[in-house]
Amino acid sequence: NAGAMQNPRHLVRRRGQEARLRCSPMKGHSHVYWYRQLPEEGLKFMVYLQKENIIDESGMPKERFSAEFPKEGPSILRIQQVVRGDSAAYFCASSLRTEQETQYFGPGTRLLVL
Amino acid sequence: DAKTTQPPSMDCAEGRAANLPCNHSTISGNEYVYWYRQIHSQGPQYIIHGLKNNETNEMASLIITEDRKSSTLILPHATLRDTAVYYCGRSYSGGYQKVTFGTGTKLQVIP
Repeated sequence: NAGAMQNPRHLVRRRGQEARLRCSPMKGHSHVYWYRQLPEEGLKFMVYLQKENIIDESGMPKERFSAEFPKEGPSILRIQQVVRGDSAAYFCASSLRTEQETQYFGPGTRLLVL
Repeated sequence: DAKTTQPPSMDCAEGRAANLPCNHSTISGNEYVYWYRQIHSQGPQYIIHGLKNNETNEMASLIITEDRKSSTLILPHATLRDTAVYYCGRSYSGGYQKVTFGTGTKLQVIP
């Protein structure tokens, strides 16, 4: 199914390392959303970005997590000093415009923290 | 914390209609109801959304009660490929789609 592209699909990190998750939106899409899915739970909104701007980061933990969407290149979700509780599936989605536009999800990055 | 609640699992016979309920009793007047599904290990897939009126598209129908406190997703003729986890969510309508998802219903379509 067409959707945003994410890499890597699987990422293993040891506690204290940094994790960088990349999301390339669909062609022509300039809006990116990040969600986190903890094991056996539903999706939780983390952050919404437009090119070079963070619009809403209300779902993002205040510490260790950051996101960017530069003018060129993919959106990056960065997790510093990872802990075991960060182990989850991280999904990004992109949309063409804003107002109630369909979000097209990527396949997710499964982060495992040892 | 605003919540949507869904039954954890449901079965449906192949070829029959699947009716998936969702409770969103605290929904605000400016929040849309969204439905997505997630087939094992894949990213969520958009199905349908609505505000007040019932909606239908090529995938499903969405029935929203008059008081908007609950909704039902209807898959008219379920197939084995419809086996998935179905998430009901709500989204602020003020300019962008920020979806708060429920815990999902695992639909098993049985041959």
